[in-house]
Amino acid sequence: EAEVAQSPRYKITEKSQAVAFWCDPISGHATLYWYRQILGQGPELLVQFQDESVVDDSQLPKDRFSAERLKGVDSTLKIQPAELGDSAMYLCASSPSGGPSYTQYFGPGTRLTVL
Amino acid sequence: AQSVTQLGSHVSVSEGALVLLRCNYSSSVPPYLFWYVQYPNQGLQLLLKYTSAATLVKGINGFEAEFKKSETSFHLTKPSAHMSDAAEYFCAVSNYNQGGKLIFGQGTELSVKP
Repeated sequence: EAEVAQSPRYKITEKSQAVAFWCDPISGHATLYWYRQILGQGPELLVQFQDESVVDDSQLPKDRFSAERLKGVDSTLKIQPAELGDSAMYLCASSPSGGPSYTQYFGPGTRLTVL
Repeated sequence: AQSVTQLGSHVSVSEGALVLLRCNYSSSVPPYLFWYVQYPNQGLQLLLKYTSAATLVKGINGFEAEFKKSETSFHLTKPSAHMSDAAEYFCAVSNYNQGGKLIFGQGTELSVKP
């Protein structure tokens, strides 16, 4: 069964450092999502891609976060500089299309700890 | 704006007992509703989803949920809890006004006692 791949699984960094997370969606899935999940809360959308285009980045802190999906396949989420409040689980999900009825398939996530 | 409220951040049941996890939603247009399960340090796995077909939706691992428009609810049930059901459960809503974005509730942690 095809799965969404993410790396690394765990990342520990010091504040003010740069970090990057990678996501490889299920093959053929046009829509890719990055969510942030703070401990004890539900995930919140950071950015949504349709192929290589950003559809929604309204909740992405653009002063420090950036995301790209250059060839419309895999994606990278970057934080520079990292802050203590960025400690969270970063989840990538993909779906065949961006409509609301489509199931989003989640990867295992990257657990970020900022010291 | 759409939102989801999960009543009870922690629910504890005995093995073999009924599981009931509550979810109420708010949506200005017809909603699509989802239940996901998350095990520690893992991603989310879809249990079931409502997409305007049958109001009683059956999912994996014996779970089901009923869409009640008049009550704006989508509660998750399982007749008999198993130890392996212990996990965090999230209810989520989406609709065409919000594109594909899922709005999640705060989650309910289910504990199963032997």
